[in-house]
Amino acid sequence: GAVVSQHPSWVICKSGTSVKIECRSLDFQATTMFWYRQFPKQSLMLMATSNEGSKATYEQGVEKDKFLINHASLTLSTLTVTSAHPEDSSFYICSARVSGRGQRSEQFFGPGTRLTVL
Amino acid sequence: SQQGEEDPQALSIQEGENATMNCSYKTSINNLQWYRQNSGRGLVHLILIRSNEREKHSGRLRVTLDTSKKSSSLLITASRAADTASYFCATPAGANSKLTFGKGITLSVRP
Repeated sequence: GAVVSQHPSWVICKSGTSVKIECRSLDFQATTMFWYRQFPKQSLMLMATSNEGSKATYEQGVEKDKFLINHASLTLSTLTVTSAHPEDSSFYICSARVSGRGQRSEQFFGPGTRLTVL
Repeated sequence: SQQGEEDPQALSIQEGENATMNCSYKTSINNLQWYRQNSGRGLVHLILIRSNEREKHSGRLRVTLDTSKKSSSLLITASRAADTASYFCATPAGANSKLTFGKGITLSVRP
C-alpha cells in the first residue's frame, strides 16, 4: 500500500518548451502533496506544497509562474515547468501524505522524474 | 535552509560490517525520519522516531534520538551490498509539517 507514481520517469525537451510531470497516489487519497527538486549529489529541496482544491504554497525563491502546480483531485498533482531552460534540468520528486492521518504522518515518495532541457 | 546535517558525508565499509550514520538538527522536532535513496531513484521511508522515543528498531536498522543534543543516529547492522545508497534524515516543521532534508550520506558496501 501507499504507492506514489510519477509520469514520465524521464523527459528530454528543448529550451523554451513546457513540461508537465504527474504525481499520483495509487492506493490512497492525499490531501497534501509535495514537490522537491534534487541536483546531482545533493539533497532534496522542497519547492512547493500542493493542497487539493486550493493554491499551492511555494517556498522562498521558487517562481510560481515558472513552476505551475495543480492539485485537482485527491490522487493527482501536476507540476508544469514552463519555458524550460537548461538550468531547470534536475530530478523532480513528489511525495504524498495520507489524508486523515494528520500532519505528522509519513510521506510516501514517487520514483522521481529526470528532466533534461537541451 | 538545511535542518538536518548528516555525518559522515560518505562511508565505505565491507559487507558484514555495521554502518553508523549521524544526523544533527537545529530546531525542536516532534519526530525525525530516515530515508534511503538508491542512485537515480525516489526515496524509501526507513523509520520514524518520535521525540518521546530514545531508540527504535526495524529489522537490521536501529535508530536513536537524543533531543538534548539534537542528534540522531542510524545503525545498519550486518551490512549488505544492497544497502549501498544515500541516506537522509528529515525533520518535519512548520505548516503542513513539510520535511526538511539533510545533505545525505553516501554509503558504499563492498562485497
